[in-house]
Amino acid sequence: AQTVTQSQPEMSVQEAETVTLSCTYDTSESNYYLFWYKQPPSRQMILVIRQEAYKQQNATENRFSVNFQKAAKSFSLKISDSQLGDTAMYFCASRSYSGGSNYKLTFGKGTLLTVNP
Amino acid sequence: KAGVTQTPRYLIKTRGQQVTLSCSPISGHRSVSWYQQTPGQGLQFLFEYFSETQRNKGNFPGRFSGRQFSNSRSEMNVSTLELGDSALYLCASSLDGRPTNEKLFFGSGTQLSVL
Repeated sequence: AQTVTQSQPEMSVQEAETVTLSCTYDTSESNYYLFWYKQPPSRQMILVIRQEAYKQQNATENRFSVNFQKAAKSFSLKISDSQLGDTAMYFCASRSYSGGSNYKLTFGKGTLLTVNP
Repeated sequence: KAGVTQTPRYLIKTRGQQVTLSCSPISGHRSVSWYQQTPGQGLQFLFEYFSETQRNKGNFPGRFSGRQFSNSRSEMNVSTLELGDSALYLCASSLDGRPTNEKLFFGSGTQLSVL
């Protein structure tokens, strides 16, 4: 079974500053993928960034980057130059890849990020 | 290209009734999965369909069911509604849904309120 834990229910940051959201996970699978999703007030889940567990290099997407620590099972999201439009609920998720039937995402409980002007 | 469309956006039902939610995936996508989102339990996987077949199922009672049509559109049905079924129901589509880093595209959900 997979579990994903986000220990920060809420965070806030000033516009243009940098913020890091924490996530830890647990899985018995050797092959898995990790994701960060954003859910703005429109409720639509939007993929922010994804990381393949077998890749040591941290993924980056413009202002978004991750710090993937496989041994510690940690997968944090860093948002640089925060913008008002980044205000949203952020979910960390994992997806296994073991040839089994785990075609699902396991989500954390989310972190509500507020960017203040 | 149109995104994932879920209808209706909002729904109010009473206990004991049944409800059907609809999801139209992105054109060409054959995998559709459903998630329930509540403040207490967060996001939980319901089931996934591919080519009209249920390929994976989460830990929900048999009152929750779904199906997929030949055009990949999917419906989920909840019978004998309970207060605890009040939730945002999200649908996601992808090309084939296999366990890779394949990108899932989500709809805006159906907010179900059970009174």
